[in-house]
Amino acid sequence: AQSVTQPDIHITVSEGASLELRCNYSYGATPYLFWYVQSPGQGLQLLLKYFSGDTLVQGIKGFEAEFKRSQSSFNLRKPSVHWSDAAEYFCAVAPPPAGGTSYGKLTFGQGTILTVHP
Amino acid sequence: GAGVSQSPSNKVTEKGKDVELRCDPISGHTALYWYRQSLGQGLEFLIYFQGNSAPDKSGLPSDRFSAERTGGSVSTLTIQRTQQEDSAVYLCASSPRQGPGNTIYFGEGSWLTVV
Repeated sequence: AQSVTQPDIHITVSEGASLELRCNYSYGATPYLFWYVQSPGQGLQLLLKYFSGDTLVQGIKGFEAEFKRSQSSFNLRKPSVHWSDAAEYFCAVAPPPAGGTSYGKLTFGQGTILTVHP
Repeated sequence: GAGVSQSPSNKVTEKGKDVELRCDPISGHTALYWYRQSLGQGLEFLIYFQGNSAPDKSGLPSDRFSAERTGGSVSTLTIQRTQQEDSAVYLCASSPRQGPGNTIYFGEGSWLTVV
């Protein structure tokens, strides 16, 4: 069964500093990969997704993520963090559709809470 | 509507009571999902509907949980004989259809507290 590990439960950065959130997955083949963000009291918002092709994926709000097959990783990065980026971030995987398997059946990591200091 | 709509946003119920949670997906979306978010278990898949196909119920934790989708639109998640461990945020999501490139949009959730 697939699994997703986000090693950092809580990260604190200063506003303007760079950010990297780690995500490792365990799956037999290359799954579809996603990063979601959840602000307090809000639903999940998709930041970016990787299905195939270029391993560096650009998302919304200035975020990007890089897929590294050899490391089974999909780390999220942002060059300069803003106070409004404070939220919880979730990495997720889904199996590629095959034989009726739902690609929407996401497996999420435990989440990383980001705190931004002024 | 503009987004996935869920009701109620908050529900407090007594142990042993039944509850129903409602989800209105984005208009035209054929795929609908229910997830549960709890402190101990994180985000878990519960059930998935796609068009007229049989739903994927593989994530439902027990037979006290059931869901239906009427007319290919609105969905109701029912929890019978609620237990304290059912306390969680129940998230509904929808997407235009199954397949690559389709973003899944989540609602803000229904926060269930069982006392």
